[in-house]
Amino acid sequence: DSGVTQTPKHLITATGQRVTLRCSPRSGDLSVYWYQQSLDQGLQFLIQYYNGEERAKGNILERFSAQQFPDLHSELNLSSLELGDSALYFCASSSRTGGYYEQYFGPGTRLTVT
Amino acid sequence: LAKTTQPISMDSYEGQEVNITCSHNNIATNDYITWYQQFPSQGPRFIIQGYKTKVTNEVASLFIPADRKSSTLSLPRVSLSDTAVYYCLVASGGYNNNDMRFGAGTRLTVKP
Repeated sequence: DSGVTQTPKHLITATGQRVTLRCSPRSGDLSVYWYQQSLDQGLQFLIQYYNGEERAKGNILERFSAQQFPDLHSELNLSSLELGDSALYFCASSSRTGGYYEQYFGPGTRLTVT
Repeated sequence: LAKTTQPISMDSYEGQEVNITCSHNNIATNDYITWYQQFPSQGPRFIIQGYKTKVTNEVASLFIPADRKSSTLSLPRVSLSDTAVYYCLVASGGYNNNDMRFGAGTRLTVKP
């Protein structure tokens, strides 16, 4: 157990819909990262927040957005969903802003768009 | 430009030592090298991290030559449960989205 929690575990929705994925980082971690992993693909970095502020942006679509709240939990919002958005979405946290400190990954949310 | 290059897949047998090499020719002075393990449908798990020379922990060793342009993850006496994807990550800890570029990883299959 990494200490990072993600909800929900599974999500099935239709094209065109909007969903929100939630992540609670490890206690004390200020940095949260979001990744997308499609079937048998590598991890695609989406976005990073540190103590409520956006710090780095990866291959995140304009239909996607995220935020980190004062209690440090984070939400990833996916809108106008397409079939290709079906994937595992992972959240990770670390105690520093950058990647060279160990990232602790959550169990992921499996999103299925039908 | 890919920051790391790893073999796509490797096969081994139980009890053997496995070495997975990662190339990172453009590594920067501030970059560290970190290896993660991922099982299907699970989040990646930290294995080991190093800056130079050799690092060893209870599960693996990491060898980094003096020029730091490559690194080798060594798994001693693998078992079936070591079958997973292994990612090499080169990151500096700065505000750089390249820090989170994991690459394709190496799929290790351990056979009985």
